[in-house]
Amino acid sequence: EDQVTQSPEALRLQEGESSSLNCSYTVSGLRGLFWYRQDPGKGPEFLFTLYSAGEEKEKERLKATLTKKESFLHITAPKPEDSATYLCAVETSGSRLTFGEGTQLTVNP
Amino acid sequence: DGGITQSPKYLFRKEGQNVTLSCEQNLNHDAMYWYRQDPGQGLRLIYYSQIVNDFQKGDIAEGYSVSREKKESFPLTVTSAQKNPTAFYLCASSISGYYNEQFFGPGTRLTVL
Repeated sequence: EDQVTQSPEALRLQEGESSSLNCSYTVSGLRGLFWYRQDPGKGPEFLFTLYSAGEEKEKERLKATLTKKESFLHITAPKPEDSATYLCAVETSGSRLTFGEGTQLTVNP
Repeated sequence: DGGITQSPKYLFRKEGQNVTLSCEQNLNHDAMYWYRQDPGQGLRLIYYSQIVNDFQKGDIAEGYSVSREKKESFPLTVTSAQKNPTAFYLCASSISGYYNEQFFGPGTRLTVL
């Protein structure tokens, strides 16, 4: 059974304090790994897709990386507006996504 | 603007009643999905459709039904058989089942009274 585990469950940072979120996965055949941002009461917003180990993608203060067993979402010098829940999902055969439970990030000014 | 719309944003239902949640997209996407999200939990797949007039059960399909008569529409019916229907429901679409970058609607919060 495909499994996705995100850690930590919650993370509090001071503005400017860089950190990383982790997404570890156990799948039979990874076709892609996805990162989303979700604000309270809203639908998830697509951030990145990673397809192969060693791949990296960046967007503003966010950088996503992928290894054979896990992905990291690095947040550099975060701002309060980066506060949200970050969701990781993996795609395996069957065109379905399996989501982790998310990391709730709070950035204090 | 292209996007996914869900209506209503909030929905209240009495126990024993069926209710239908709307999902429409104008992105010309072939694939559409319904997820359920409970507090502190990830998204769980209810049903998905990769093409018009075809759909498959996800992980938690019991008590739900769908139809896909038009490419742009994928309504979800929550039936009285669903034992714990209060949740946040999210609809998503992707270009196809193969290119699976899914884009989400704003969600419908269903509360059973």
